[in-house]
Order: sequence, then C-alpha cells, then structure tokens
Amino acid sequence: NAGVTQTPKFRILKIGQSMTLQCAQDMNHNYMYWYRQDPGMGLKLIYYSVGAGITDKGEVPNGYNVSRSTTEDFPLRLELAAPSQTSVYFCASSPRLVEQYFGPGTRLTVT
Amino acid sequence: RKEVEQDPGPFNVPEGATVAFNCTYSNSASQSFFWYRQDCRKEPKLLMSVYSSGNEDGRFTAQLNRASQYISLLIRDSKLSDSATYLCVVEGFNKFYFGSGTKLNVKP
Repeated sequence: NAGVTQTPKFRILKIGQSMTLQCAQDMNHNYMYWYRQDPGMGLKLIYYSVGAGITDKGEVPNGYNVSRSTTEDFPLRLELAAPSQTSVYFCASSPRLVEQYFGPGTRLTVT
Repeated sequence: RKEVEQDPGPFNVPEGATVAFNCTYSNSASQSFFWYRQDCRKEPKLLMSVYSSGNEDGRFTAQLNRASQYISLLIRDSKLSDSATYLCVVEGFNKFYFGSGTKLNVKP
C-alpha cells in the first residue's frame, strides 16, 4: 500500500494563479481531510469529506474548493492564489473517527 | 476559546529525564483523543491513542481526565530521538482538532 500520496511536493505560484493539489489514498478510507500548517502553528482544517460525493467546510475554507468524486481521490483547488495561502498543505485519511494517516505534504509559496 | 490548547514549550530536557505535557480541550462531548508526533518539516504521525482508563506504550503513558477536560503525555527515560513536536488531537463532530503542539528538545 502506498498509503496517502500528495502531489506536487513543492510549488511556487504567482499571485492570482490557480492550482490543484492532488491527494489519493489506497486504503479504502471513507474520511479524508485537508489541513494547512503555517510556520510554528498547528494544523487548521480546510475541508473534509465523510465519503464520495460529500464534502464540508472546516475552519479555514475561504479561497479553496474541493471535490470527492471517488473514495480514493480528494483534490484541493486554490483559486486566485494570495500570499496568505503560503503554507504546508497536508492531506489525511481515516477509516472512521480514529487515527488519521497523513500524506507527506505540499509546500506552497505564493509570491 | 480554542478547541485544543497546549503549552508550546520548548521543553529542554537532558537524556534520561522524565517529561510531561498537558493539553486541554473545550468540547465535553469529544470521544476520541490522540497524541501525534511531528518531526521538523514532516507529516504528523500517530504516537498513541488516549483511552479513558489511561494507556502505556513502552516509555510513553497517556492519560485522560474527562472531568477537567485535559489529556496528558508522560515520556520516561527521554532519548535524543524523542526530540520533536507533540500534537494533542481531539475528535469532535466528524472532525479532528489539533493543538499547536509542544516542542521537546532532548539534550545529550
């Protein structure tokens, strides 16, 4: 099992550009999550999904969108990137409301 | 009020020391509690779940106090390799709430 994979690992965006962060898991987990972690801070939940076709907002959803058309994939879309979105983005999955498995993260810089 | 609060540290301890971290949470309906470890610039990894009766895994002991709404992590006989940030995580309403983490530096 690959677990949770994220692409790309690093990305530099210019202000106003858009991009999609990819996340995939091969563990057949229903729950998937997107977090961002700013330097020296904890993880903040952006969006989450409890199953294919179901998504909901977390603490900091503004400027982001998600979709969940399959159990495996949970892409995160950034529209009109802003410097405030410079962060490390982690995707995670969970079989139930128990332990989460994290991907390696995407380091995004917006300049 | 934050959902989960932790002392950010850092805790600087010598090898072999015993160190304890606490974490408080605000949602009294929370059912699941965890400690995660995060190394610099890496993803968080589960260290241990925290059960109502308390649980131990080698040098690590976790305890839950529902009445006072806090969880604790005790590390005995600290190793250099224990240096990391320890994240307290509390489940609530289909989501997980993360504390900001407590940084531990174990010195030779």
